[in-house]
Amino acid sequence: QSALTQPASVSGSPGQSITISCTGTSSDVGSYNLVSWYQQHPGKAPKLMIYEGNKRPSGVSSRFSGSKSGNTASLTISGLQADDEADYYCCSYARSTTLVFGGGTKLTVL
Amino acid sequence: QVQLVQSGAEVKKPGSSVKVSCKASGGTFSNYAISWVRQAPGQGLEWMGGIIPIFGTTNYAQKFQGRVTITADESTSTAYMELSSLRSEDTAVYYCARGGYRYGYGEGYQYHYMDVWGTGTTVTVSS
Repeated sequence: QSALTQPASVSGSPGQSITISCTGTSSDVGSYNLVSWYQQHPGKAPKLMIYEGNKRPSGVSSRFSGSKSGNTASLTISGLQADDEADYYCCSYARSTTLVFGGGTKLTVL
Repeated sequence: QVQLVQSGAEVKKPGSSVKVSCKASGGTFSNYAISWVRQAPGQGLEWMGGIIPIFGTTNYAQKFQGRVTITADESTSTAYMELSSLRSEDTAVYYCARGGYRYGYGEGYQYHYMDVWGTGTTVTVSS
């Protein structure tokens, strides 16, 4: 199972909005509404930010939102803050009962 | 609030095996899936496999089939991941994570989100 495709890096200024894309195939992102997004600060464990495409766990800011179109899922962060600077990973259920991650995107807050 | 506490760092020789534990405190994991995810130095996340303790069913990523064994002991709320035939490329931080699953008609159990992550275990493979 190939990894999902994410941009290596994105950047934005405080207060701005950014979107991170996550492109898969009809065998994963395109066929299931089971995409999740994780935030990871250096040296820390990942944190769930979005699940089932567009749902936020309790405690996650409403500045984080998820969407999907075809084989591509997206994570949008609005009102960028300094603490949003981290690595972000998408993850999708894939056929044959597996999970596949994206390669990760480094978000820099300028 | 459930926490997942993992066993300590390991240093192993190439060709040997390692077994990492993951104990739930402050709750159980019986009604969830437990996944194992690893992260090599400077690299991304990689799903290795998982178990649904209440059913005892396991699923492994194709890459690790035959080399990884995931088990769970519901009586102690502890999951285990054993990786054999270690090589230098297996040097990584290994995480357990609790998450959701659902049953998909014709596909079996579908893992999805992982909402509680373990403390991480560093495994170093070196001669």
